[in-house]
Amino acid sequence: TQLLEQSPQFLSIQEGENLTVYCNSSSVFSSLQWYRQEPGEGPVLLVTVVTGGEVKKLKRLTFQFGDARKDSSLHITAAQTGDTGLYLCAGVRTDKLIFGTGTRLQVFP
Amino acid sequence: DAGVTQSPTHLIKTRGQQVTLRCSPKSGHDTVSWYQQALGQGPQFIFQYYEEEERQRGNFPDRFSGHQFPNYSSELNVNALLLGDSALYLCASSPQGRAYGYTFGSGTRLTVV
Repeated sequence: TQLLEQSPQFLSIQEGENLTVYCNSSSVFSSLQWYRQEPGEGPVLLVTVVTGGEVKKLKRLTFQFGDARKDSSLHITAAQTGDTGLYLCAGVRTDKLIFGTGTRLQVFP
Repeated sequence: DAGVTQSPTHLIKTRGQQVTLRCSPKSGHDTVSWYQQALGQGPQFIFQYYEEEERQRGNFPDRFSGHQFPNYSSELNVNALLLGDSALYLCASSPQGRAYGYTFGSGTRLTVV
């Protein structure tokens, strides 16, 4: 059973466009993390959000944690080809990660 | 400062065989967690080791077992391999049993034929 659903599953856009990835759950998490994974590599942590309603910015990436701590979003402004990869959200529960289904992003020049 | 090191990087095994995967955690980390990532999916939690004991376990059969050594390194063993065990196996280390400060290795790609 996948507790965290991500949408969209696939996203193919051109450089310069904006995009939003959603991570939804019916369960509450103590915190939520976002990772990016490139082919042949392990996931790399981008951000951890802890407080309901929290917004964090990492250059062109904006992360938001839902007020009820059940959902999150990742917004990328002016996407670049280097943003290409698999984006994973992961809820933290009893010190283990429950990963979402993943969003595969392809940014074309 | 070395991150998480996993070996081997790739492995091909036959159904019914047994396999051992190895992981060395990041310096300063004492907790090791193992995840299975099937193609096109998010990683699934297998189990976590802290202070040489299995601390918690995901929904995986007993064919999956592990061990943590005094130097914090860890092994994942899978017995009686099935075709469905083909996946990327990821090791992640963190400090003091917490899910914060996770660092993942590059994984071991296991193919069962």
